[in-house]
Amino acid sequence: EPEVTQTPSHQVTQMGQEVILRCVPISNHLYFYWYRQILGQKVEFLVSFYNNEISEKSEIFDDQFSVERPDGSNFTLKIRSTKLEDSAMYFCASMRSGGEKLFFGSGTQLSVL
Amino acid sequence: QKEVEQDPGPLSVPEGAIVSLNCTYSNSAFQYFMWYRQYSRKGPELLMYTYSSGNKEDGRFTAQVDKSSKYISLFIRDSQPSDSATYLCAMIGEDSGNTGKLIFGQGTTLQVKP
Repeated sequence: EPEVTQTPSHQVTQMGQEVILRCVPISNHLYFYWYRQILGQKVEFLVSFYNNEISEKSEIFDDQFSVERPDGSNFTLKIRSTKLEDSAMYFCASMRSGGEKLFFGSGTQLSVL
Repeated sequence: QKEVEQDPGPLSVPEGAIVSLNCTYSNSAFQYFMWYRQYSRKGPELLMYTYSSGNKEDGRFTAQVDKSSKYISLFIRDSQPSDSATYLCAMIGEDSGNTGKLIFGQGTTLQVKP
């Protein structure tokens, strides 16, 4: 069964460093998303991406965050200057078309020290 | 009032029991309702997907949506130890169907004891 793949599974970084989280969405999907989950808290929407542009972003997704689809298969989330409070599990998700089911990857655990 | 409320539990039941998990919500614009299962340190896995009000059954799982009460439920019949996980409700409005901005509940932790 096709799945959303995320790498790395764990990422440790120093505060102020840039990190790039990588995702390979399901191949025939057109809509791509990043969510995050701080330990013990709800899964929160960060950003949606369609047709090579951001469709919607949350208040969390400030200027330190950016997304990119550099080629036909990868989807990345960049955090320019990480803060302690960015420590969380980051989930990539994809959807084939609007109003359909959203499928999540296994996540990247980001730890900012 | 929180947009989506879900009792975090934990909920502990014996193997074979019927489990009832619930969420309430405040936004009447929500049209799509989902239940995800999440194992520890893993991504949410879609279990059930329902549009608008009504019931949907898939094997041991039944999802119910009552839009008039703004209340959704997931029933698990003949629960198994492998069902032990956190169950997340999630929902989205029709106008957000393309943006994929799901609103999640807190999640209910379920433990099924052998």
